[in-house]
Amino acid sequence: NAGVTQTPKFRVLKTGQSMTLLCAQDMNHEYMYWYRQDPGMGLRLIHYSVGEGTTAKGEVPDGYNVSRLKKQNFLLGLESAAPSQTSVYFCASSAAKGSLNQPQHFGDGTRLSIL
Amino acid sequence: AQSVSQHNHHVILSEAASLELGCNYSYGGTVNLFWYVQYPGQHLQLLLKYFSGDPLVKGIKGFEAEFIKSKFSFNLRKPSVQWSDTAEYFCAVNAGYGGATNKLIFGTGTLLAVQP
Repeated sequence: NAGVTQTPKFRVLKTGQSMTLLCAQDMNHEYMYWYRQDPGMGLRLIHYSVGEGTTAKGEVPDGYNVSRLKKQNFLLGLESAAPSQTSVYFCASSAAKGSLNQPQHFGDGTRLSIL
Repeated sequence: AQSVSQHNHHVILSEAASLELGCNYSYGGTVNLFWYVQYPGQHLQLLLKYFSGDPLVKGIKGFEAEFIKSKFSFNLRKPSVQWSDTAEYFCAVNAGYGGATNKLIFGTGTLLAVQP
């Protein structure tokens, strides 16, 4: 009964390094999301996907790229990490049917520090 | 643009006290409203949601929220808090824009500390 699984849980990067955060869900959800959570700012949507092979920009997409090659996976990439990207990253998924009232299911988060 | 405001950033209560956390949103059309809770070190979990019908919604762990359309509000309440309710609470709105993709707009969160 995994739900939404994020890897890794923690990571420290140097400025300019690249990395990919992996999100996997086992609920057969169509929609997937990447958020960042910063103190005093709540959660802000980075990118989202409404299905395999499709992605779209959210509120704060700059500096990030995403891919949804398989329905169950949603990858978030940082090509050249910057200190401003130090944050906690949450992945979420939700069903498409009756989508407006479907709750989002969240992973445990990835704590990323950029030095 | 749609927005969600949570005016209480940090609330401290003693056990058994009553709780009310404010949430206001800005959107004139049909909305779906959610309250999520994040316990220390954990992911967000759904407390309750409103999308139609009775404006008084009951959720898990004794929480409830009332949707008041005329005030654009969806305040969270609990008659008697426990130490285990210490957490951060987020209000979120789905305004159904952008082709019904279920994008949520979150408030900035309210950190609740319950003292034993």
